[in-house]
Amino acid sequence: GAGVSQTPSNKVTEKGKYVELRCDPISGHTALYWYRQSLGQGPEFLIYFQGTGAADDSGLPNDRFFAVRPEGSVSTLKIQRTERGDSAVYLCASSLNSGSDEQFFGPGTRLTVL
Amino acid sequence: KQEVTQIPAALSVPEGENLVLNCSFTDSAIYNLQWFRQDPGKGLTSLLLIQSSQREQTSGRLNASLDKSSGRSTLYIAASQPGDSATYLCAVEDSNYQLIWGAGTKLIIKP
Repeated sequence: GAGVSQTPSNKVTEKGKYVELRCDPISGHTALYWYRQSLGQGPEFLIYFQGTGAADDSGLPNDRFFAVRPEGSVSTLKIQRTERGDSAVYLCASSLNSGSDEQFFGPGTRLTVL
Repeated sequence: KQEVTQIPAALSVPEGENLVLNCSFTDSAIYNLQWFRQDPGKGLTSLLLIQSSQREQTSGRLNASLDKSSGRSTLYIAASQPGDSATYLCAVEDSNYQLIWGAGTKLIIKP
């Protein structure tokens, strides 16, 4: 079956604008994770959902970042008033359940804030 | 706070050599440890997942070991090939089900 998909693959925006990044998990996976990866670094955890609810949002850097998963499938990461420091690759992963199940990653969205 | 370190940051070896990549972590309270491969402009591919109760996992030319008490894991690649060139990342799943990542080892296999 299809893997995790993310759209857009690239997003260029201007400082101060609002952006939305979309993640389509593997069908049937109940857990969904968002990570952010800066150049030359490993990914950093942002938030994870179990079903529709955010089980852990401790990694969101500030209140400009918000994520939703209203029907327990597709998730959208929303960034308000973007800053140049938000530029990174945003990765989404899903797993069958939370816990120690293997996470499967999408190709990421490269966000560039000018 | 869990910290994951990977050494070396970069490695370049001739084709055919066996090599070892290292990963260390500061808190032994983990659910599992995973090794991933990342190719430029592409997502992460899981290579091996070792549960906390396991000591090693093997897949083809790859072997990963885990010593939880000492906070170490190694990824052994046998008979390296140019197609193995990529960045290799290790990540531990902590008690909050978060993956905590190292910065990766950039591997170049020279033909």
